[in-house]
Amino acid sequence: EDQVTQSPEALRLQEGESSSLNCSYTVSGLRGLFWYRQDPGKGPEFLFTLYSAGEEKEKERLKATLTKKESFLHITAPKPEDSATYLCAVQTPYGGSQGNLIFGKGTKLSVKP
Amino acid sequence: SAVISQKPSRDICQRGTSLTIQCQVDSQVTMMFWYRQQPGQSLTLIATANQGSEATYESGFVIDKFPISRPNLTFSTLTVSNMSPEDSSIYLCSASGFYTGELFFGEGSRLTVL
Repeated sequence: EDQVTQSPEALRLQEGESSSLNCSYTVSGLRGLFWYRQDPGKGPEFLFTLYSAGEEKEKERLKATLTKKESFLHITAPKPEDSATYLCAVQTPYGGSQGNLIFGKGTKLSVKP
Repeated sequence: SAVISQKPSRDICQRGTSLTIQCQVDSQVTMMFWYRQQPGQSLTLIATANQGSEATYESGFVIDKFPISRPNLTFSTLTVSNMSPEDSSIYLCSASGFYTGELFFGEGSRLTVL
């Protein structure tokens, strides 16, 4: 069964304290891996798509990397405004529809000033 | 990226009633979808909204419970029928554009069923 697991469930950081979030996946095939940010009461906001092992993408303080079994979201020198839940999702070639992303439960990040 | 508007943003409903959620996208998109996000759970795809034809439902979701319409490329509705407290959830509309595979989401509609 295709599965996405994110860890840790929650992470508390001090402002400026860099860290990484993990997304491990077990799927029959990978079409793409997606990272989203979700603020309380809002819909997920698209961050990155990664398609192949070794690929990296960056946006401000965030950097996403991909291996054959997991992805990391690195946060460098985070600020309080980076506090949110970060969601990982995978898309397989065998899904019934393009939209059938398999989501993890997310990592709730809190950054204290 | 597409801007997706949903309404209502939240509602409190009585058991046994039905509620229709509207989703409007600001540009033409190829695919529109409806997701559910239950408390503490992952997002789960309910169905793909197909323009001018019946929606494609995922396992565990049926048309009688979640009828969906998509009359044109930018608008869709999801109805949650004969609601029970177990239907209390956030319902999210999403869409992908003609040129990219990224999936964009609306703000969500938070339903509470009493």
